[in-house]
Amino acid sequence: GENVEQHPSTLSVQEGDSAVIKCTYSDSASNYFPWYKQELGKGPQLIIDIRSNVGEKKDQRIAVTLNKTAKHFSLHITETQPEDSAVYFCAANRGSYQLTFGKGTKLSVIP
Amino acid sequence: GAVVSQHPSRVICKSGTSVKIECRSLDFQATTMFWYRQFPKKSLMLMATSNEGSKATYEQGVEKDKFLINHASLTLSTLTVTSAHPEDSSFYICSAAPTSASTDTQYFGPGTRLTVL
Repeated sequence: GENVEQHPSTLSVQEGDSAVIKCTYSDSASNYFPWYKQELGKGPQLIIDIRSNVGEKKDQRIAVTLNKTAKHFSLHITETQPEDSAVYFCAANRGSYQLTFGKGTKLSVIP
Repeated sequence: GAVVSQHPSRVICKSGTSVKIECRSLDFQATTMFWYRQFPKKSLMLMATSNEGSKATYEQGVEKDKFLINHASLTLSTLTVTSAHPEDSSFYICSAAPTSASTDTQYFGPGTRLTVL
């Protein structure tokens, strides 16, 4: 089955700096890779996603890159703000709409 | 758009009782909904996949007789935790996959905090 590894588990950055979170997946059949942001006590919120026919996708300060050959994808947040502080999860699909999630990265943006 | 609600947001019950959690897609139809469980500071663990009009598919190790799932309409799925025990205390989150979506996109509800005394 699909296995998704996510690094780092915690990340602290100064406000205004960039943050990068990386994930690897094992199933070469996976073709959909979403990223979710989860604030304390709330459900995950989809922030960006990418399909395997695209190498990069950007939405304002957030971008995702995908290397299908190496089976890894990354989330890039530029000009970080305190409200970006949260836990971020990557995921990869494994058929029938099911997703396998990484273990999460707790991002802290220090003002 | 793509709003998913859950009710209740928080519930406390006595050991041995049953608790029902509702998951609704408010502005889209969802043929498929998912139920997850999340322990503190941990990732989301898929419990079951719920398809409208058919039986749910449970992940390995999840007791289907304990976690009853009903997906009666394209906008509503329910999870009933039967004969709840303290070890069932957790954060339960549902998600819904829009029927019209061309991707495997899932939108999550806000979660339900269950505490079993």
